[in-house]
Amino acid sequence: KAGVTQTPRYLIKTRGQQVTLSCSPISGHRSVSWYQQTPGQGLQFLFEYFSETQRNKGNFPGRFSGRQFSNSRSEMNVSTLELGDSALYLCASSFRSSGGSGTQYFGPGTRLLVL
Amino acid sequence: DAKTTQPPSMDCAEGRAANLPCNHSTISGNEYVYWYRQIHSQGPQYIIHGLKNNETNEMASLIITEDRKSSTLILPHATLRDTAVYYCIVRVLAPSGSRLTFGEGTQLTVNP
Repeated sequence: KAGVTQTPRYLIKTRGQQVTLSCSPISGHRSVSWYQQTPGQGLQFLFEYFSETQRNKGNFPGRFSGRQFSNSRSEMNVSTLELGDSALYLCASSFRSSGGSGTQYFGPGTRLLVL
Repeated sequence: DAKTTQPPSMDCAEGRAANLPCNHSTISGNEYVYWYRQIHSQGPQYIIHGLKNNETNEMASLIITEDRKSSTLILPHATLRDTAVYYCIVRVLAPSGSRLTFGEGTQLTVNP
């Protein structure tokens, strides 16, 4: 079974621009979570999507948003980029039931550099 | 989710067992212990998880104490490729527990 894929793998943007990152989950997984990893803050939860609805949200400003499509693929968007948004953005997928989210499997990440 | 405490770094000789400890003294009865590792600049890799019984898979063994306040991840025969940051996470398997809260982890260095 193919793993979680993320595109693009590397991205360079300038301050004020916006960026869209894409994540394709493992086949059969309907939950997609996004995380940001920076040297200063470590790995932090951004949000989770399940059945095209945001189910959980971390403590990030409204410039960070996401969506999920009917095929479970997900995108996250960051508007008005700031230098501090430079980070590794990770996507994780899991099988989710009424009892909650199962084991999360991570993709390779998208490394974003904001200049 | 309960807070975990791990040593910041550990060393291990190649071919020997690596035993990584984790304290989670405030763990609740419905919280699982998860272990992930992250090799430099890659996405975290799931290793193993458990509730109260010891668990073993092809990668590692997880030993959870009877009171569940601590656990140990065991890599039976460490190789150079096991050099990574290892994260111990406790989480509840509920709709509200979908987020993983990562701490600082343990940097394991396997030496030749």
